[in-house]
Amino acid sequence: EPEVTQTPSHQVTQMGQEVILRCVPISNHLYFYWYRQILGQKVEFLVSFYNNEISEKSEIFDDQFSVERPDGSNFTLKIRSTKLEDSAMYFCASSAGTSGRNLYFGPGTRLTVT
Amino acid sequence: AQSVTQLGSHVSVSEGALVLLRCNYSSSVPPYLFWYVQYPNQGLQLLLKYTTGATLVKGINGFEAEFKKSETSFHLTKPSAHMSDAAEYFCAVSTGANSKLTFGKGITLSVRP
Repeated sequence: EPEVTQTPSHQVTQMGQEVILRCVPISNHLYFYWYRQILGQKVEFLVSFYNNEISEKSEIFDDQFSVERPDGSNFTLKIRSTKLEDSAMYFCASSAGTSGRNLYFGPGTRLTVT
Repeated sequence: AQSVTQLGSHVSVSEGALVLLRCNYSSSVPPYLFWYVQYPNQGLQLLLKYTTGATLVKGINGFEAEFKKSETSFHLTKPSAHMSDAAEYFCAVSTGANSKLTFGKGITLSVRP
């Protein structure tokens, strides 16, 4: 069965550093998403991406965040200057966009900001 | 705006017992409703979903859920728990085919031998 993959599985960075989290969505999918889960809290929507542009973003997704689909297969989330409160599990997801709406999640990247 | 309420953080059942995980939602438009399961160190896996049509939805691993509009509920059930069902379960709502998901805070299911 096709799956969404994410790298790295765990990233440790110092406060103020830039990080790029990488995702490879399922190949024929058209809609791409990032969610995050701070330890012990609910999964929160960050951003959705379709047709090479952001279609929706949450208030969490401020100017420090950006997304890109640089080469037709990868989907990246960049955090320009990490803060301690960015420590979380980041999930990538993709969807074919057809009715019925199956959203497939990757295994997540655990980001630890020290 | 939409929201999901999952009361409690932990449910413990005996193997073979009924599993009931509660979910209530709030949505200003007809909702799409989902249950996801997360096993340790893994991503979120779709258990089942309700979009339109039949209100009793069957999913993987013997789980089912019933959409009750009058009660704004979408409770997850399984007649007989198995040890492998131990995981975290998330209820989620969206308002459109490709709209964002809004998750509940999740509930941890433990299964006692």
